Amino acid sequence: SQQGEEDPQALSIQEGENATMNCSYKTSINNLQWYRQNSGRGLVHLILIRSNEREKHSGRLRVTLDTSKKSSSLLITASRAADTASYFCATASNAGKSTFGDGTTLTVKP
Amino acid sequence: DTEVTQTPKHLVMGMTNKKSLKCEQHMGHRAMYWYKQKAKKPPELMFVYSYEKLSINESVPSRFSPECPNSSLLNLHLHALQPEDSALYLCASSQVGGKGGYTFGSGTRLTVV
Repeated sequence: SQQGEEDPQALSIQEGENATMNCSYKTSINNLQWYRQNSGRGLVHLILIRSNEREKHSGRLRVTLDTSKKSSSLLITASRAADTASYFCATASNAGKSTFGDGTTLTVKP
Repeated sequence: DTEVTQTPKHLVMGMTNKKSLKCEQHMGHRAMYWYKQKAKKPPELMFVYSYEKLSINESVPSRFSPECPNSSLLNLHLHALQPEDSALYLCASSQVGGKGGYTFGSGTRLTVV
């Protein structure tokens, strides 16, 4: 298994519903980040949670981090069609090495 | 507008060509990165520069040659590529150690023919 596994791989929901994605990792981290990527484009940084934080909010986004389980979740509330994208978690080590999860492809149907 | 600018946005090159990808950031970051991303896969780290020095090379073939002329610029020189090298190449910058997260450019879509 690779560091930064995500589930589900694909998620399809109706507009207005909430979407939850999970990420697991294997090694010690300084922080964990979530990114969004629209098809074929660059990644957009959504939110960062430090290893000493347990929960963080930003607008419709809520991120949790459980360092004992080496896992994180991203919740998008009241989803919109424009939220359709791929979502990746990424971890940063002390050496500056970043590792991305396999990603979750979210489809929000209008 | 992204704060990390990559050029060109698209590049088609033959297997005998030499080309370069360019990346520029004005965020005051002292770490810069090259990633390769194949379709429907996560970005894979290729190189990390910290304080303009190569700190991580993820066993990338020598046909990819990175260069960091100064703290704002990062190049990736390409020579004798293979069709399987076709991918989206992403540049990113951050504070050293990845603190604060990474800022990505929009990428260069490379096709090797």
